[in-house]
Amino acid sequence: GENVEQHPSTLSVQEGDSAVIKCTYSDSASNYFPWYKQELGKRPQLIIDIRSNVGEKKDQRIAVTLNKTAKHFSLHITETQPEDSAVYFCAQWAGGTSYGKLTFGQGTILTVHP
Amino acid sequence: GAGVSQSPSNKVTEKGKDVELRCDPISGHTALYWYRQSLGQGLEFLIYFQGNSAPDKSGLPSDRFSAERTGGSVSTLTIQRTQQEDSAVYLCASSLFGVHTGELFFGEGSRLTVL
Repeated sequence: GENVEQHPSTLSVQEGDSAVIKCTYSDSASNYFPWYKQELGKRPQLIIDIRSNVGEKKDQRIAVTLNKTAKHFSLHITETQPEDSAVYFCAQWAGGTSYGKLTFGQGTILTVHP
Repeated sequence: GAGVSQSPSNKVTEKGKDVELRCDPISGHTALYWYRQSLGQGLEFLIYFQGNSAPDKSGLPSDRFSAERTGGSVSTLTIQRTQQEDSAVYLCASSLFGVHTGELFFGEGSRLTVL
């Protein structure tokens, strides 16, 4: 299957704290895992992605880790800022006969308090 | 165009009417996706087109929903006999698909309200 479970559904942190969002996937053939950020009233936009040949990827204050054995991946945001407040979606790119289908998690509403 | 274009941006219709939503992807993008986002909810996969391959329709919620992509470019999502539960934002996205996976570029969405 192509289900993606995302936790938590809401996350509230103080400015400067770290935030971690976790996703679990079921498709063992999947090899690409992007994260999208959707600000209020805006379209989703890619912020970082990871492919199955690496275990971690960083881009300034955000990082993603992947554990293929356990079939989970996580988004880490350090030194959070109010502008990080948004809904974050993880996704998995299906493998096998459904190759190309991108299935999203349920989303995490992140609120960063000044 | 510079980005994915969707029309109409807003559509209010009466229950039982048919609606058509249009998506114009980024030029050259071979993959096109439709998602549905209900108020405060996630991104629900509806359908995916890739090149000349048969579309993946596994996410269409009922036979009232259909989509086509003409000439490998513009796509139309049609909802027949609309119901109130169809009210949502319908998002289209396109991607430059190749040997490796690519970033999805989303349109602004079409907000559908069924009265």
